Amino acid sequence: DVKVTQSSRYLVKRTGEKVFLECVQDMDHENMFWYRQDPGLGLRLIYFSYDVKMKEKGDIPEGYSVSREKKERFSLILESASTNQTSMYLCASRPTDIYEQYFGPGTRLTVT
Amino acid sequence: AQTVTQSQPEMSVQEAETVTLSCTYDTSENNYYLFWYKQPPSRQMILVIRQEAYKQQNATENRFSVNFQKAAKSFSLKISDSQLGDTAMYFCALGRWGANSKLTFGKGITLSVRP
Repeated sequence: DVKVTQSSRYLVKRTGEKVFLECVQDMDHENMFWYRQDPGLGLRLIYFSYDVKMKEKGDIPEGYSVSREKKERFSLILESASTNQTSMYLCASRPTDIYEQYFGPGTRLTVT
Repeated sequence: AQTVTQSQPEMSVQEAETVTLSCTYDTSENNYYLFWYKQPPSRQMILVIRQEAYKQQNATENRFSVNFQKAAKSFSLKISDSQLGDTAMYFCALGRWGANSKLTFGKGITLSVRP
């Protein structure tokens, strides 16, 4: 079974803090994704990566950056957290030749 | 640009009955995939069913089946013999064919199964 893990289920941070959200997958998948999920808005893609050190902006990259130094790990970085970044963050991965994505459990981030 | 529309925000169904969740989409691609994902309350998102656009036959997974109408760009999910464990948020998603493909999700629908 594919396993995608995220470093925290719940996180509370203060405005202006630098925040790291970590995602690890154990199936050697090339593609990894970061989404945020908000009520009434569904899932919106922040960034994705199709290989180590490669990244592409999704639909809402403003205020975020990412890092992928190893194939299994994809980090989402909030350089200076703001209250409008309070949300559920979902990580997903997939191999190149299969189109469905496998999701982690999510991190509910609250910025106060 | 791809879009996915789920126009019903909430639905409710009696246990053991059948319910259909609607989804329409728009894409200029001829080759693509469609998915339904399920997100139970406070639990992980999981794949329910997948449909390849080049296949005319509708996909089926146990109690879950789809009605894929390519010309109408419609992709509905039918849940038969609804169970309490089907209570969840359901997302429709569209992905184009290709190595660096990403998914476009609808806004989701909250399904409640009543005992």
